[in-house]
Amino acid sequence: EAGVTQFPSHSVIEKGQTVTLRCDPISGHDNLYWYRRVMGKEIKFLLHFVKESKQDESGMPNNRFLAERTGGTYSTLKVQPAELEDSGVYFCASSPGWERQFFGPGTRLTVL
Amino acid sequence: GDSVTQMEGPVTLSEEAFLTINCTYTATGYPSLFWYVQYPGEGLQLLLKATKADDKGSNKGFEATYRKETTSFHLEKGSVQVSDSAVYFCALANDYKLSFGAGTTVTVRA
Repeated sequence: EAGVTQFPSHSVIEKGQTVTLRCDPISGHDNLYWYRRVMGKEIKFLLHFVKESKQDESGMPNNRFLAERTGGTYSTLKVQPAELEDSGVYFCASSPGWERQFFGPGTRLTVL
Repeated sequence: GDSVTQMEGPVTLSEEAFLTINCTYTATGYPSLFWYVQYPGEGLQLLLKATKADDKGSNKGFEATYRKETTSFHLEKGSVQVSDSAVYFCALANDYKLSFGAGTTVTVRA
């Protein structure tokens, strides 16, 4: 069974540019989550999808971040425009129920 | 809100040494507690979990006991190997949302 995949693994962009991160969950998992780890600190929850619907986006830092989940399958997280403080590792996770979440390898975003 | 505090690293050990990583939490209700591990170049993997007070989670020689009275979930391993070098995250879950600690980087030397 394929795990959660994320693309790209690493992105380096200039401040003010746009970046789109992609997550492909495990097939059949209705729940999809985005998390972020900034500057070696704790991993923080960003948002939660159930199928294509946003269940909870309370962790999204501001309106420069936009997450979508097309047809309840893969998800994208767009940052526009990117700021220096957006640098960090963005993790995606998926789960069939809520208790056991399966994580992807993360996308390391560097904003210069 | 919910929060997790774990000991800061980095931690460097020799092979066969004893490892302990302290973790305490603040939460409403009765959360489930987890330890996740991230090996170099890989994603987060669930190492072990405990869902109620006094439960002991164990896996790959690692153990942690859910202590409600001290709000703690310390991770221990009696004899570490080089392959245990990784970043370890303590986490709690109240319903679907995971709250993580800052992570502890562990390096085991041969």
